[in-house]
Parts: sequence; C-alpha cells; structure tokens
Amino acid sequence: DAKTTQPNSMESNEEEPVHLPCNHSTISGTDYIHWYRQLPSQGPEYVIHGLTSNVNNRMASLAIAEDRKSSTLILHRATLRDAAVYYCILRYSGGGADGLTFGKGTHLIIQP
Amino acid sequence: DSGVTQTPKHLITATGQRVTLRCSPRSGDLSVYWYQQSLDQGLQFLIQYYNGEERAKGNILERFSAQQFPDLHSELNLSSLELGDSALYFCASSTSGNNYNEQFFGPGTRLTVL
Repeated sequence: DAKTTQPNSMESNEEEPVHLPCNHSTISGTDYIHWYRQLPSQGPEYVIHGLTSNVNNRMASLAIAEDRKSSTLILHRATLRDAAVYYCILRYSGGGADGLTFGKGTHLIIQP
Repeated sequence: DSGVTQTPKHLITATGQRVTLRCSPRSGDLSVYWYQQSLDQGLQFLIQYYNGEERAKGNILERFSAQQFPDLHSELNLSSLELGDSALYFCASSTSGNNYNEQFFGPGTRLTVL
C-alpha cells in the first residue's frame, strides 16, 4: 500500500467541527482511501472510505482533493467520544488481498 | 459492538509456552484477519484467511500459525512464547477478501508473557 502522512496529534473543542488531514502524494488510480479510528482500550473501527468523490456517512465526511494527493476526514460536531487515534490508509483495489497497513495515525484530543 | 467476538479477553502465561486465541467473525463474513498491537511496533497485520484458505501473509513469525475452520471461526496459535510477544491481538472480519471492503474488529485478546 502507498504511504500516507498525518499529523501526530490534533486538539479540538467539543461540539466544534474537526478536520483531520492526510497526505498521500504517491497514491495510484486504483487506491481507495480508508479511514479507521481506535478509541482507547478498543479495537480499530471503520469510519469511511472513498475513491474520487467526496463521501458522507453517519459518522463523518471524507473530502478528497481533485488530484487525490490529499484527503480530509471531517467530523462535523466532535464529542468527547470522538477522542481516538485516526488512521488514514490506502487500499489497492486492483485485485488480490492484504491486511491493513496502519501508520502512527493522528491522536485527536477533544477538550470539553 | 462490531459483531466480532474474541476469546479469551486476557491471557497470562510463561515464556516457552503455547497459547491459542479464538475469533468468531460477524455472521456472513468469509474473511478473517489477525493483527498484533504492541507499544514498539504499533498495529501490524499478521495473516488473512478467506473461506478456510490462507489468503495473505504479513509480519507473522514462524512460531505463530493460524487456521480458519468450516464454521468460519479462526484460531491463532502462538508457540515458544517470548517476552516480546506480549501484546494485544485483534481479529477482524470482512464480507469478502477484497481490499475495498471495510474490516470489523473484535475487542482483542491481551496476552502477557511473564
């Protein structure tokens, strides 16, 4: 899987929007952008994924740059429960199978 | 609750011993993945099974092995345990073995090797 770069940590206030950036300048045309998060003392949890167009689901939105070299995970109204490590992962979709390659992710801190 | 179950939750054993971790995937999921999370190595993919067959291998040691049974549950066997094998072991499942499907993780098994 191609490499991603994320800030080590970010801080935000409760009930405010949060924008978590991810750079993936070596992304290929067949790579999907996946986001997972890991809450304290829990297993990772799928958040959202996309290929080219922006995506929304009940948890978050994913904004993908036109050149696909970066993306942003948007939490529209952060709660204390959103404090977690967020991982941006590229997944080759051209065939075959593999596990997820987790980097260090972004540690999101939510202040009450 | 992801629908993936793992047993036991905690396991304490001694160096040189052998343990078996068990995972039941979500109903209908054919693919099972095993991951190891330690403080120094982070989250690492170990191995994937799809419908009973090994599909992909990651950083799995030769002392470790896994299998997926006809009822689709999976077991991860760790032998000749060393202190450095102390970690959280997660199992995940997905509907198919393809890379674009999301994975659903279990709560993990915490292994402590003394």
